[in-house]
Formats: sequence, C-alpha cells, structure tokens
Amino acid sequence: GAVVSQHPSRVICKSGTSVKIECRSLDFQATTMFWYRQFPKQSLMLMATSNEGSKATYEQGVEKDKFLINHASLTLSTLTVTSAHPEDSSFYICSAGDGNFLNTEAFFGQGTRLTVV
Amino acid sequence: QKEVEQDPGPLSVPEGAIVSLNCTYSNSAFQYFMWYRQYSRKGPELLMYTYSSGNKEDGRFTAQVDKSSKYISLFIRDSQPSDSATYLCAMQTAAGNKLTFGGGTRVLVKP
Repeated sequence: GAVVSQHPSRVICKSGTSVKIECRSLDFQATTMFWYRQFPKQSLMLMATSNEGSKATYEQGVEKDKFLINHASLTLSTLTVTSAHPEDSSFYICSAGDGNFLNTEAFFGQGTRLTVV
Repeated sequence: QKEVEQDPGPLSVPEGAIVSLNCTYSNSAFQYFMWYRQYSRKGPELLMYTYSSGNKEDGRFTAQVDKSSKYISLFIRDSQPSDSATYLCAMQTAAGNKLTFGGGTRVLVKP
C-alpha cells in the first residue's frame, strides 16, 4: 500500500517554543492531507484538512494561529505548533489521500509524540 | 451524545478465541464504515471497510454493517497475541471526505 512518512516520531520541546511536524506521501501525490490529535487512550480528533495550494480548513475549536498548516506541495504538508505549552503535549497523526478518494484509501503516518516541558 | 460510540474495553481473550468488536452511531448519513488497528504509539492501519449494509470477509476478519440498527461489528477469528492492539471504527458520509472515529477498543489476546 501507499506510504505516508511522518517526522519526527518523537519530540520534546520547551514551553514557548515552536515545533514543526512533517508529513510526506512517498509514492503518490497527496492532494488532501488530514491532521489529527490523539490524547492517551482516546480516539483521533480531526484538527484540520489541508488541500495542496490552498488554506487549511480547521475544525471547530482548533486555533488556526496556533496550529499552522502548510501544504505547499503534493507530497508534503507541515503542522507547526507555535508557542507550545504543556497542554499541547499529545500524539499528532497525519493522513494523506490523492483527493479523488474515499477515506478508505487514505493512509496514516506513524504519528509524532510531542512533549512540551 | 457522541456521533460514534465504542466500548473502550479492555477486552481480554485467550489465544484462539473470537474477538467481537462493535460500534453504534447516530448519523444515518454515514455510508462507509472502516475498521482500523492501532498499535501503541503508532498510526492507525486500515483493516477493512464496507459500504452500506452487509458483511465482508477478509482472512480472519469479518466486518458487518446493519444500517437499520446503526450498528457495525468486526470479528477476529483465531485470535493471536499479535492482534493485541486498539481497534478503531470510523465512518464517512457519501458527501464528505471526513472520517468520524469511535473512541477505540483495546484488545488483549493472551497466549
């Protein structure tokens, strides 16, 4: 199946700093990427949907100025957590699809565990 | 009330037993139903998906959808310790491309 690579897999940062997470589709063109957040023992909560070349669509309650999403190419989307605080510590996961798909054909990255100290 | 409800478990079974998982939902517009497996600290992996009502079988896995009851199930036959993971159901309407996830059920298969 298609491969979606997410980097880094784990990051620890100081409170107040910014962290960038990358999501790459390795063998297909991802016109749409999704960013999720998952707290321990909880399900995935969709944060935003990004389409290549356009602004991301954020879910209700997600601060777009805090979670900056860039999808500048068909193989790369980035999520930047700005001015991170301990409450931003979570597991962040991306998924990618070719845009003409159902989510049955979207593939997930391996996730990034962010710890803000 | 959440759109998709799933018992969090944990569900503990002996090796070789049948694992039975299910989700209920409230949005009648859901048309596509998926099951994902997620190992600890990893991204979800798609196991199966079904469209509308009916059954689908793939190896040791059987997915069932009953739209009249708004109820979906996943059965794992001949369970193995390697099946120990969290299983997430997810759903999608025909119009949108957004997935709505259940909370996940943690499964433990004991040797």
